[in-house]
Amino acid sequence: KAGVTQTPRYLIKTRGQQVTLSCSPISGHRSVSWYQQTPGQGLQFLFEYFSETQRNKGNFPGRFSGRQFSNSRSEMNVSTLELGDSALYLCASAPRGTGAYGELFFGEGSRLTVL
Amino acid sequence: AQSVSQHNHHVILSEAASLELGCNYSYGGTVNLFWYVQYPGQHLQLLLKYFSGDPLVKGIKGFEAEFIKSKFSFNLRKPSVQWSDTAEYFCAVISGSGNTGKLIFGQGTTLQVKP
Repeated sequence: KAGVTQTPRYLIKTRGQQVTLSCSPISGHRSVSWYQQTPGQGLQFLFEYFSETQRNKGNFPGRFSGRQFSNSRSEMNVSTLELGDSALYLCASAPRGTGAYGELFFGEGSRLTVL
Repeated sequence: AQSVSQHNHHVILSEAASLELGCNYSYGGTVNLFWYVQYPGQHLQLLLKYFSGDPLVKGIKGFEAEFIKSKFSFNLRKPSVQWSDTAEYFCAVISGSGNTGKLIFGQGTTLQVKP
């Protein structure tokens, strides 16, 4: 069974630009969550989608958004990039919502560098 | 608000030494607890989890953790570490239930095992 696939793996952007990251969950998984990982803040929850609906959102500004498609694939978008957005963005999937299932299966992440 | 605290940020051990990584959480209700591991260059993966029942849970690669409710702790242990255990370890707790929720992670502990 293929794991969680994230694209692109690495990208470099400049301040003010926007970026879209993509995540394909494990086949059959309906929940997709996004986390931001930085050396200073650790792993922080961005949002979770289940059946195309955002079920939960973390404490991030509105520049961070996401969506989930009918095939459970998800994208997250960050607009007006700031230097502090440089991070590893992790996608995780689960058969059901995090609260119901608990265990998440993570992708390898998309490493974003903002210059 | 729920939080997770890992006491050790960086641990250095020699092979065959015993390991104990501390984790404390703050939450008054029923808790579901996890330890995840991130090997260098790899994705986050589940080591072990506690939902209910026996407070001593066993995971992959010889790891175990003990849930002590009175101490709000979920410490990770391994009797004899190997060089291949070099990785970053994250303790996490679920916040939420049903089809909504998120993992709250501790700051992580970097384990370096010297051969």
